Amino acid sequence: SQKIEQNSEALNIQEGKTATLTCNYTNYSPAYLQWYRQDPGRGPVFLLLIRENEKEKRKERLKVTFDTTLKQSLFHITASQPADSATYLCALEGNYQLIWGAGTKLIIKP
Amino acid sequence: DAGVIQSPRHEVTEMGQEVTLRCKPISGHNSLFWYRQTMMRGLELLIYFNNNVPIDDSGMPEDRFSAKMPNASFSTLKIQPSEPRDSAVYFCASRPTTGVQETQYFGPGTRLLVL
Repeated sequence: SQKIEQNSEALNIQEGKTATLTCNYTNYSPAYLQWYRQDPGRGPVFLLLIRENEKEKRKERLKVTFDTTLKQSLFHITASQPADSATYLCALEGNYQLIWGAGTKLIIKP
Repeated sequence: DAGVIQSPRHEVTEMGQEVTLRCKPISGHNSLFWYRQTMMRGLELLIYFNNNVPIDDSGMPEDRFSAKMPNASFSTLKIQPSEPRDSAVYFCASRPTTGVQETQYFGPGTRLLVL
């Protein structure tokens, strides 16, 4: 069955550094992948979408890569700020829905 | 636009009681999703509607769960009877079209506690 893995442990990063989150998947070849941010007590909010034919996508301080050979997506936040602290979820395209990872909690320390 | 609206935001009930969660999707969106989120299992899709028609309810845990979408602007998720293991945050999300690549827009969620 399709499986998505994200780091289950929280990621602690010093303010100003680059945070890198990983999303690995197996038993599937999605046409695209999405990244969402979730703050405590709120629903996930869409950040970026990357297609299988795109190696990299950028939006301000955010960068996503998509390696279909490694079956992996990396999510980078450059010049990280305490306000970037949240849980980040990756989601892969399924038949008509998204298949979600469990999310990685990111903590940016001042 | 007010975004996806869910009510209530918090619900505390006793085991065996009926619980009804409500969702108003973003106007003009064709697809609606009900999710459940727990620490142990993450975000799970319960049911998906397209143009008010249930497409896949395979994620609905048991017959105790039912969902309806009587019109394009309203959906309900009902649990009857509720059990402590149903305690979770329930999210409703809507999507502009049937295209899977389209962004899903989530509501604020309903935090359910069954005692």
